[in-house]
Amino acid sequence: DAGVTQSPTHLIKTRGQQVTLRCSPKSGHDTVSWYQQALGQGPQFIFQYYEEEERQRGNFPDRFSGHQFPNYSSELNVNALLLGDSALYLCASSGRQGAGTEAFFGQGTRLTVV
Amino acid sequence: AQTVTQSQPEMSVQEAETVTLSCTYDTSESDYYLFWYKQPPSRQMILVIRQEAYKQQNATENRFSVNFQKAAKSFSLKISDSQLGDAAMYFCAYSIIQGAQKLVFGQGTRLTINP
Repeated sequence: DAGVTQSPTHLIKTRGQQVTLRCSPKSGHDTVSWYQQALGQGPQFIFQYYEEEERQRGNFPDRFSGHQFPNYSSELNVNALLLGDSALYLCASSGRQGAGTEAFFGQGTRLTVV
Repeated sequence: AQTVTQSQPEMSVQEAETVTLSCTYDTSESDYYLFWYKQPPSRQMILVIRQEAYKQQNATENRFSVNFQKAAKSFSLKISDSQLGDAAMYFCAYSIIQGAQKLVFGQGTRLTINP
């Protein structure tokens, strides 16, 4: 079992550009959540996808958008990048929508905006 | 809004000793889940232990156990017989019980194990 895989592992972008991050969930999982972890902080919930729809969203601007594909993989898109978007972006998958379900995390994508 | 607070930015312990990491949270819900996650330098979050708020018995997983005080909104993690591989960032997290899981994390505690 490959677990949750994210790509790329590292990325450098220029302010104002757009970026797409990708996540493949653990085999058998159908729910994908995205978190932003700034340096030295705990992760913050961005949004969650289930059945190809955004089910919940955290306090992030519309510049952050996502998509889930029929195979349950997901993308996180960030437009008009700001320096403050520099962070580790974590993807988590789970088997159902239940809140007590264990979430399995990927190793994250380190985004640096210059 | 729910919040999670970890008041210990850093902790250290001698190998084979016991250490306790603190966590407090704020919520108006009566039922919820609490978690401790470990994040080693590899960056991948790993679930250490989970507690359902409606269960009075404290959760245990091998060397890891929690002290859940619902009235005080406190959820501490005890690591017994500390091992070098326990060195990592530890995050306390909260999730409501209804609907989709949305984890609210604390700021984390960096645990160092001294050989």
